[in-house]
Amino acid sequence: GAGVSQSPSNKVTEKGKDVELRCDPISGHTALYWYRQRLGQGLEFLIYFQGNSAPDKSGLPSDRFSAERTGESVSTLTIQRTQQEDSAVYLCASTTGGLLNSPLHFGNGTRLTVT
Amino acid sequence: QQPVQSPQAVILREGEDAVINCSSSKALYSVHWYRQKHGEAPVFLMILLKGGEQKGHDKISASFNEKKQQSSLYLTASQLSYSGTYFCGTEGSGSARQLTFGSGTQLTVLP
Repeated sequence: GAGVSQSPSNKVTEKGKDVELRCDPISGHTALYWYRQRLGQGLEFLIYFQGNSAPDKSGLPSDRFSAERTGESVSTLTIQRTQQEDSAVYLCASTTGGLLNSPLHFGNGTRLTVT
Repeated sequence: QQPVQSPQAVILREGEDAVINCSSSKALYSVHWYRQKHGEAPVFLMILLKGGEQKGHDKISASFNEKKQQSSLYLTASQLSYSGTYFCGTEGSGSARQLTFGSGTQLTVLP
């Protein structure tokens, strides 16, 4: 079956521009996560959506970052007024529900380069 | 709070064993292990729950000591395909449903 799909796979943008990253989770997965991975670093939690509940935004690094998800479908991560330190791979993951016994299924990520 | 992984990197010869440790400063509900190859998405290996359980998959196994808030990943008779970066992810009290990852352990298996 189809896995988690992210687009674009690569994005180069100029400092100060806004970017929008898209994630299509696996059908039926109620939970969706966004992570940021800087070069050679670990996975940094950004935001978590679970069904129609209020999202957990505790990982968003600044108010330039926002994310939306409609129901249990597509999610978009928006970065406004991009800075060079925003350069990273942005990974989306989905899962069926609670983490206790549900693995995360990751997409291949969007590599963002801010010049 | 981010769990601490050790070692940061390890180099092995094919057939050798390795242990990767993951420890947390807070109580844990579960520990996840993932492997990421260069330029690819992380891939799920296993989940361990409270209760001090152990799990195994082929020649990769793991343990979870909830009292010590530690988990260890054991790679036995390593194969070239085991090369990659291993991440532990922890779900703890106070961070409901948020999986916090360690900084990773880079494993290189040489022929």
